[in-house]
Amino acid sequence: GQQVMQIPQYQHVQEGEDFTTYCNSSTTLSNIQWYKQRPGGHPVFLIQLVKSGEVKKQKRLTFQFGEAKKNSSLHITATQTTDVGTYFCAGRKDFSGGYQKVTFGIGTKLQVIP
Amino acid sequence: NAGVTQTPKFQVLKTGQSMTLQCAQDMNHNSMYWYRQDPGMGLRLIYYSASEGTTDKGEVPNGYNVSRLNKREFSLRLESAAPSQTSVYFCASNRQVPYEQYFGPGTRLTVT
Repeated sequence: GQQVMQIPQYQHVQEGEDFTTYCNSSTTLSNIQWYKQRPGGHPVFLIQLVKSGEVKKQKRLTFQFGEAKKNSSLHITATQTTDVGTYFCAGRKDFSGGYQKVTFGIGTKLQVIP
Repeated sequence: NAGVTQTPKFQVLKTGQSMTLQCAQDMNHNSMYWYRQDPGMGLRLIYYSASEGTTDKGEVPNGYNVSRLNKREFSLRLESAAPSQTSVYFCASNRQVPYEQYFGPGTRLTVT
């Protein structure tokens, strides 16, 4: 079945350092989404990537979708304490008839040390 | 707009009891979802509804039923709760263009 592996599971960085989390799917995806979840909170949608090789930026966050649409990354430049939380990727595969399969990665928990 | 709302926020059940988790969205979205989140396992899709009147199984549907009551409401029912269903349950809805998914605040369910 479809699996989405996400690494690392935990990351501690000094404030100002960069951070990257990676997702790899066992199958080709229709699209991939990224979410952030603060401790005790709910996932908040960050972005969706659809096209092969797509790169999108949101301020200090850069999202990439691999050429084969099987891997993706989220890179944060110069982390701040407000970046603390767990970052999830979610790979979506669409099938005929409207059926879709969404598989979340396990998440990367980011701690930023002031 | 309230976004996606869920009730209750917390619930404790005994094994074998039943309950319904309620979810509503006021954003006129067609698609709605139920997920469960367990430590070390990320989020797993239980059921989804692509539009009013349709529902489909996700990754972990066993032990659950859903009802898409109307465009706004999507409920999740546990007919006979089991300790393995202890989890945090999130409801979500999405708009298609541009794509964005919105999650509710979650229901923390404990089954003893």
